[in-house]
Amino acid sequence: ETGVTQTPRHLVMGMTNKKSLKCEQHLGHNAMYWYKQSAKKPLELMFVYSLEERVENNSVPSRFSPECPNSSHLFLHLHTLQPEDSALYLCASSQDPDRGFEKLFFGSGTQLSVL
Amino acid sequence: SQKIEQNSEALNIQEGKTATLTCNYTNYSPAYLQWYRQDPGRGPVFLLLIRENEKEKRKERLKVTFDTTLKQSLFHITASQPADSATYLCALGGVTGGGNKLTFGTGTQLKVEL
Repeated sequence: ETGVTQTPRHLVMGMTNKKSLKCEQHLGHNAMYWYKQSAKKPLELMFVYSLEERVENNSVPSRFSPECPNSSHLFLHLHTLQPEDSALYLCASSQDPDRGFEKLFFGSGTQLSVL
Repeated sequence: SQKIEQNSEALNIQEGKTATLTCNYTNYSPAYLQWYRQDPGRGPVFLLLIRENEKEKRKERLKVTFDTTLKQSLFHITASQPADSATYLCALGGVTGGGNKLTFGTGTQLKVEL
């Protein structure tokens, strides 16, 4: 166990559905991240939160909406997704995103399929 | 543009041999480089970090080298075991204004056969 828990592990949704991914970290870290991993592609950073404030948004479509109510929880709200959004969505945490030289702790991911 | 290259073809080796994985990069000046292991259906797990002023780092059967002139890192697993079979990702850090902004490669799949 890495100390980062993601739910659900698998999700199938239609293009008109609304769903949310949840991430919780038990490591006392200050930063949380959402990454997207598609087949044969590198991990793509989507959002970064530091102390509950969004510090990075990498040109992600508005159909993805993050929420960070506290430093231990992170959500990714999904609505009107497209089939090309099907991927493994990974949550990660680190102690401090600005300190550098830090390792990321990843959850097991949510495998999302959009029909 | 910035680019990280890892061998997209799977690396198959025999148990007991040394596996060597390559990470090449262009148009980067990273402050550090990290290696992660990823098993199917799981998130990446951190293995090693090496800084730009370090040539080599070791941890048990793992060894990482970092050549900033060649813009290359090599990741070695000695006395490989079937349990080492996984995808290995390299990630470069500190490339855009500092901080912990990691950019990942696509990974290389390693298969260790009996």
